[in-house]
Amino acid sequence: ETGVTQSPTHLIKTRGQQVTLRCSSQSGHNTVSWYQQALGQGPQFIFQYYREEENGRGNFPPRFSGLQFPNYSSELNVNALELDDSALYLCASSTTRGRAFFGQGTRLTVV
Amino acid sequence: GNSVTQMEGPVTLSEEAFLTINCTYTATGYPSLFWYVQYPGEGLQLLLKATKADDKGSNKGFEATYRKETTSFHLEKGSVQVSDSAVYFCALTDLKETSGSRLTFGEGTQLTVNP
Repeated sequence: ETGVTQSPTHLIKTRGQQVTLRCSSQSGHNTVSWYQQALGQGPQFIFQYYREEENGRGNFPPRFSGLQFPNYSSELNVNALELDDSALYLCASSTTRGRAFFGQGTRLTVV
Repeated sequence: GNSVTQMEGPVTLSEEAFLTINCTYTATGYPSLFWYVQYPGEGLQLLLKATKADDKGSNKGFEATYRKETTSFHLEKGSVQVSDSAVYFCALTDLKETSGSRLTFGEGTQLTVNP
């Protein structure tokens, strides 16, 4: 058990809708990263937050946005959902130079 | 930019067979290298890591050696079990440039071990 929890575990959304995914970081971790894992693929880095500020972003459009809260928990928001957004979304937390601990992921299906 | 290339899968072995999953990388700076494992329906679990050249990471009978001269980090196990069936991901991060939770992953290799 990593201490990183994500919610919900599964959800189904309709194309064009908006979705918010949540991540509770492991205690003492100040950095959180989000990944998108399409079926049969490796995780792709979306962005990272450090002390409530975005600290690096992968090749994802602006409709993917995030927040980190003072308790270091985090949200991933996706607007205008597309069918290709269907994936497993993973959250990982760490200290500044420590290794990543992953949550179990949220399975998003866009129909 | 950083990239990781894994051998194409899937890989199917009989129990007690020898396992090798190849991984090569391209990186600027001084990357740390990792193998993660993903069981069906679950997130990622760290299997092993190495932080500098010639380091050997090991865990649960799996081993991988950081080879800077060949930019490789191949995963090996001498005798696989049915319970090793999972997807294995090679990954890297440059801890001097960014935090440990910003990783570059390979495409993954599906391993199936038959009794």
